[in-house]
Amino acid sequence: DAKTTQPPSMDCAEGRAANLPCNHSTISGNEYVYWYRQIHSQGPQYIIHGLKNNETNEMASLIITEDRKSSTLILPHATLRDTAVYYCIVRVGLGDDKIIFGKGTRLHILP
Amino acid sequence: EPEVTQTPSHQVTQMGQEVILRCVPISNHLYFYWYRQILGQKVEFLVSFYNNEISEKSEIFDDQFSVERPDGSNFTLKIRSTKLEDSAMYFCASTNAWRPYNEQFFGPGTRLTVL
Repeated sequence: DAKTTQPPSMDCAEGRAANLPCNHSTISGNEYVYWYRQIHSQGPQYIIHGLKNNETNEMASLIITEDRKSSTLILPHATLRDTAVYYCIVRVGLGDDKIIFGKGTRLHILP
Repeated sequence: EPEVTQTPSHQVTQMGQEVILRCVPISNHLYFYWYRQILGQKVEFLVSFYNNEISEKSEIFDDQFSVERPDGSNFTLKIRSTKLEDSAMYFCASTNAWRPYNEQFFGPGTRLTVL
């Protein structure tokens, strides 16, 4: 079973920042927080990952709380193309470690 | 940018027939995976494959399923005798073991419809 809890859906206005929360209160010290997204009927796409520090790349920022029990994915300027299901995943991420997907958050970007 | 490719994009078959789904992982990747997603449901892990053998498989991956890497580029999923409940999107993924973390790259999927 997925080790994370996410809201089932969220709305965000186009051009605004989308902040997607995730709870992972049972995360272990060697587990990373990963975010993937799945645009309708396409394969999941990696967005970002982090261990304990905040991370930023060209797609998004990841804010992890100091106790690592929750995190927030931030899409700074959401566009209609960001409409997708966003998955927060906790895993060790080494070797052949599989991904266990939950139901994710369905993000609707509103024009 | 390198990507995982899958063929066909859509496969329609009759119940009881064998199907082979094909994937070409990213060329320097060493770990390969199959996942499936039944319409409206979660993405589910099927099997992982490394060094020409199965590393891990889920309960879904029963004797009707098999995987193979027949040459240096292709990675296939075979379903020997398809059932109606095998209808789903099947995603192939691959990753490079030498990265410090395991970012999996997914293909676009094959939609399997069993009639």
